[in-house]
Amino acid sequence: GAVVSQHPSRVICKSGTSVKIECRSLDFQATTMFWYRQFPKQSLMLMATSNEGSKATYEQGVEKDKFLINHASLTLSTLTVTSAHPEDSSFYICSARPGGGPYEQYFGPGTRLTVT
Amino acid sequence: GNSVTQMEGPVTLSEEAFLTINCTYTATGYPSLFWYVQYPGEGLQLLLKATKADDKGSNKGFEATYRKETTSFHLEKGSVQVSDSAVYFCALANTGNQFYFGTGTSLTVIP
Repeated sequence: GAVVSQHPSRVICKSGTSVKIECRSLDFQATTMFWYRQFPKQSLMLMATSNEGSKATYEQGVEKDKFLINHASLTLSTLTVTSAHPEDSSFYICSARPGGGPYEQYFGPGTRLTVT
Repeated sequence: GNSVTQMEGPVTLSEEAFLTINCTYTATGYPSLFWYVQYPGEGLQLLLKATKADDKGSNKGFEATYRKETTSFHLEKGSVQVSDSAVYFCALANTGNQFYFGTGTSLTVIP
């Protein structure tokens, strides 16, 4: 149980285009989902926290107009990287927290974004 | 504030060697503590956790004990295998359910 999927697993896009990454909780309802970014050989950096049906809360330094997050349902959150640039290339990981479960977060397998 | 400090890697061990990866934390309140493992090209997998002081988390031969007096949660394994090669992250979660991760420790086990 407690499986989180991400799609796509890898994506290559051209500079200036937008890319959407999906995060789904497959066997539980996630009241809260989190988006992280991981640079090579570094730790995870929390980008934003999203609660179903409300606006995402972005961490300091994260451009909300560039990284659009939509938590449309209790099982789906999307991250859209708008007008992507090569410096946006990174590994993006989502996690989901079941409703009512303290401190539990289940992580997706990650999406490798490469902007050329 | 909340933060996690992990020993820097990379760590290289021979198969069947003893492993310790140090982790210390600072936190307000009473956090839960976690170890996650990340295999190449994959996301994070929960390895073990402890939710209160003196709890011991264990899984797949790995252990870590929540030490409030030393604010530590060191990861140990008595005999590592090649398949344990991965990056290990120590993390804490506090009342806001936000996770704070250490920088990760890369482990390579050689036959």
